[in-house]
Amino acid sequence: SQELEQSPQSLIVQEGKNLTINCTSSKTLYGLYWYKQKYGEGLIFLMMLQKGGEEKSHEKITAKLDEKKQQSSLHITASQPSHAGIYLCGADILWNGDAGGTSYGKLTFGQGTILTVHP
Amino acid sequence: DTGVSQDPRHKITKRGQNVTFRCDPISEHNRLYWYRQTLGQGPEFLTYFQNEAQLEKSRLLSDRFSAERPKGSFSTLEIQRTEQGDSAMYLCASSSSYTEQFFGPGTRLTVL
Repeated sequence: SQELEQSPQSLIVQEGKNLTINCTSSKTLYGLYWYKQKYGEGLIFLMMLQKGGEEKSHEKITAKLDEKKQQSSLHITASQPSHAGIYLCGADILWNGDAGGTSYGKLTFGQGTILTVHP
Repeated sequence: DTGVSQDPRHKITKRGQNVTFRCDPISEHNRLYWYRQTLGQGPEFLTYFQNEAQLEKSRLLSDRFSAERPKGSFSTLEIQRTEQGDSAMYLCASSSSYTEQFFGPGTRLTVL
């Protein structure tokens, strides 16, 4: 979706290295969701961010949402082969683009980042 | 909590045939979504139900596509007169209001 840009499109890292995936929206977000997908399977929920400046961590994965609620990053510390997969950001975009807008809950996704971790 | 389930997991059909997919959401979730995902792309929104009411449909959803959610429980997505361009992974997700969406394993459709 052109409304949501995700970068990089692919990433190859050595086990133990840190990495960051970015997600940028052209519109203000009601919420930003990070998912992981194995090829040919459904999406696994990682984290949800709704407040400007919010940061959440789970195990070695940290996600942040900027104050303007238009950019998010996903950071993996000390990557492992089990982190390999496709990472997708999904945005719940405010309907009329302002703080008083309505969210219908549908998600707009970026193209995804294919992460490969070499042991 | 058994999660979101979808049936079938794979469907191969010939062009022009009709197909129907089923989604069983997490039981207490009132919102149900259908998405379509093609290779190398993120999922694209198709349609959304709140309880039994279909509240939004994407422009991607042509007249050949129809979705139902009778009684606000399971949902079906039917594609009539399938075309090769319909080949994709069809994903179902459910949620409570304003919470994260939980996705099913998807139904992979191949139209020959």
